Amino acid sequence: EVQLVESGGVVVQPGGSLRLSCAASGFTFDDYAMHWVRQAPGKGLEWVSLISWDGGSTYYADSVKGRFTISRDNSKNSLYLQMNSLRAEDTALYYCAKAPAAGTSPRYWYFDLWGRGTLVTVSS
Amino acid sequence: QSVLTQPPSASGTPGQRVTISCSGSSSNIGSNYVYWYQQLPGTAPKLLIYRNNQRPSGVPDRFSGSKSGTSASLAISGLRSEDEADYYCAAWDDSLSGTWVFGGGTKLTVL
Repeated sequence: EVQLVESGGVVVQPGGSLRLSCAASGFTFDDYAMHWVRQAPGKGLEWVSLISWDGGSTYYADSVKGRFTISRDNSKNSLYLQMNSLRAEDTALYYCAKAPAAGTSPRYWYFDLWGRGTLVTVSS
Repeated sequence: QSVLTQPPSASGTPGQRVTISCSGSSSNIGSNYVYWYQQLPGTAPKLLIYRNNQRPSGVPDRFSGSKSGTSASLAISGLRSEDEADYYCAAWDDSLSGTWVFGGGTKLTVL
């Protein structure tokens, strides 16, 4: 069964750091680009970051650029999001999402499978 | 404020046909594919439509997508109570270094 399981969400103080993980199973992880998408409580979806299948290309939303870093370890079938200088507005459910094996451009790497999310709360 | 604009709510009665719009610009919908996602209450989003009008296997043909210029639409025919959910459109945006963008979401209520 194809599955994505996020972990690492906790309550953290403003200005703090956190690393989220996403464990992938049921597919050849290193064939696919991967995303992080977040959803603040009661709000809509917000794309956060994208990494290519080999980790060679990364993309970020302006709201997190310079503070968050996406990475992957294909030997461990895992995706990561290092979050620094956290703010209250980063409070959200963070989903990892798999992209399809289509094309070499990030414009074709939509979200075809989602995990269940991990909750990050930034509060003092 | 979302880059893609959706109506915050929509409604219909069982059996009806409902459409949800998604408006963008030349840098996103105007030059890229549109995707639609369904989020049932308390669950993760699920891919509903890809590449403007394609349905993944398992998605009923009651769901259809279309695109014209800088706008797109999701149509749901034969509305059922289990269709009550939040619906989001998404597209790649060519602005600056490129990003993925979502609509603000439309809450569909089945009356």
